[in-house]
Amino acid sequence: EAGVAQSPRYKIIEKRQSVAFWCNPISGHATLYWYQQILGQGPKLLIQFQNNGVVDDSQLPKDRFSAERLKGVDSTLKIQPAKLEDSAVYLCASSFGPNTIYFGEGSWLTVV
Amino acid sequence: KNEVEQSPQNLTAQEGEFITINCSYSVGISALHWLQQHPGGGIVSLFMLSSGKKKHGRLIATINIQEKHSSLHITASHPRDSAVYICAVRGNTDKLIFGTGTRLQVFP
Repeated sequence: EAGVAQSPRYKIIEKRQSVAFWCNPISGHATLYWYQQILGQGPKLLIQFQNNGVVDDSQLPKDRFSAERLKGVDSTLKIQPAKLEDSAVYLCASSFGPNTIYFGEGSWLTVV
Repeated sequence: KNEVEQSPQNLTAQEGEFITINCSYSVGISALHWLQQHPGGGIVSLFMLSSGKKKHGRLIATINIQEKHSSLHITASHPRDSAVYICAVRGNTDKLIFGTGTRLQVFP
């Protein structure tokens, strides 16, 4: 079974530039999550999708972050414009039930 | 105070030692996960617990619902066990709440 795929793995951008991350969840998983993990901290939920609908985006900084899952399968997370404090690992995860979750390898973002 | 607290924050061990990582939480939960994160960033789910004890190879996870406490044990530790171990609880709102992790280094 293929895992959760994320790209790019690493990205370095200057502040005020934009960046987009892509995630392809495990086939059949209706729930998709984007987490932000700053170095030394635990992951923080940015947004949760159930199919193509948003379940929770309460911690998404909507002035600069956006995410979509138009067909209920893969998803993109965009940051525009980026700030220095956005440097983090962006983790995508998917699940098919309340007690399972599978994570991708993460996309490392450095904003300089 | 964080809703999920882990201890210790950092742990070093010699190969072969028995290791214990603790997790305490302050919210009602439906399940608790132990996760392993290697330096590359990816996270692997080790255990999902709602009661009792689970064992997988050299790893053992226990949970005490009344005391709101869980432990992850590693027997006969090995350098390849070096990673960050994260405790995460699924609260009553179905949201995962993560601890800040325990960084384990096992030296040969």
